[in-house]
Amino acid sequence: DVKVTQSSRYLVKRTGEKVFLECVQDMDHENMFWYRQDPGLGLRLIYFSYDVKMKEKGDIPEGYSVSREKKERFSLILESASTNQTSMYLCASVSAGLGYNEQFFGPGTRLTVL
Amino acid sequence: AQSVTQLDSQVPVFEEAPVELRCNYSSSVSVYLFWYVQYPNQGLQLLLKYLSGSTLVKGINGFEAEFNKSQTSFHLRKPSVHISDTAEYFCAVSRMDSSYKLIFGSGTRLLVRP
Repeated sequence: DVKVTQSSRYLVKRTGEKVFLECVQDMDHENMFWYRQDPGLGLRLIYFSYDVKMKEKGDIPEGYSVSREKKERFSLILESASTNQTSMYLCASVSAGLGYNEQFFGPGTRLTVL
Repeated sequence: AQSVTQLDSQVPVFEEAPVELRCNYSSSVSVYLFWYVQYPNQGLQLLLKYLSGSTLVKGINGFEAEFNKSQTSFHLRKPSVHISDTAEYFCAVSRMDSSYKLIFGSGTRLLVRP
C-alpha cells in the first residue's frame, strides 16, 4: 500500500513561532504537494515539488516556504506563524509517469495558532 | 484556467435514500474528473475518476458518476446511502497534460441520518 505520513495529527503553536510540518512518502514518487483545507474553500495548493530541491509555488504560497532535501520527504515551513494560518494541512504525492497517476494523500495535520 | 463548483455545501439525507451531489466545472481544454471522499479525521481517498471512454463511471462503496460534456457536469450518485457514507466529498479536475495538478471544488458534506 502507498503510504503518505504526516508527522503530527494535531499541533498547537503560538503566534510568531516557526513551525515545521513534515511529510514522508514510501512509493518513490517524484511529485509532492502541500495543500491547505478550509471550510467552504476546499483544498488550495500551497507549494509543490517535482524533484529533490525543486519547488514551485501554488495558489497561496504567501507566509509559507518548503524544503525537499530527500525524495521521500517534503517539509512545509511557517516562518512566523499567524492566527490566519490555523487550518488543516494535507500532504500528497504522485508519480511523474506518463498519463494519469493517482495522487495519494496523508491523514492531515490540524494546526491551531493561538 | 480550470475551476470547479460544488453548489451544495451540505446535503442531509435519510439512510437508504438516494443521493446526488452536484459538480460543475469550467475548462477551455480537456480534463480528467475526480471525486474524492474524506471521512472524519482522515485524509482524502479517491472515490472514482473519469479519464476517457464510457461517461458513466463506477467507484468504490456503490457510488457512480456521470460525465456530461455539454453541461460540463460530473454529478455523483448513490441509489441507497448508509450511515457510514457520512463524509465530505470533493469534486476535482486536472488538465490531461498535467494530471498531477488537481483543482478542487469547495466540498459537499453528506450527512446521513437514521
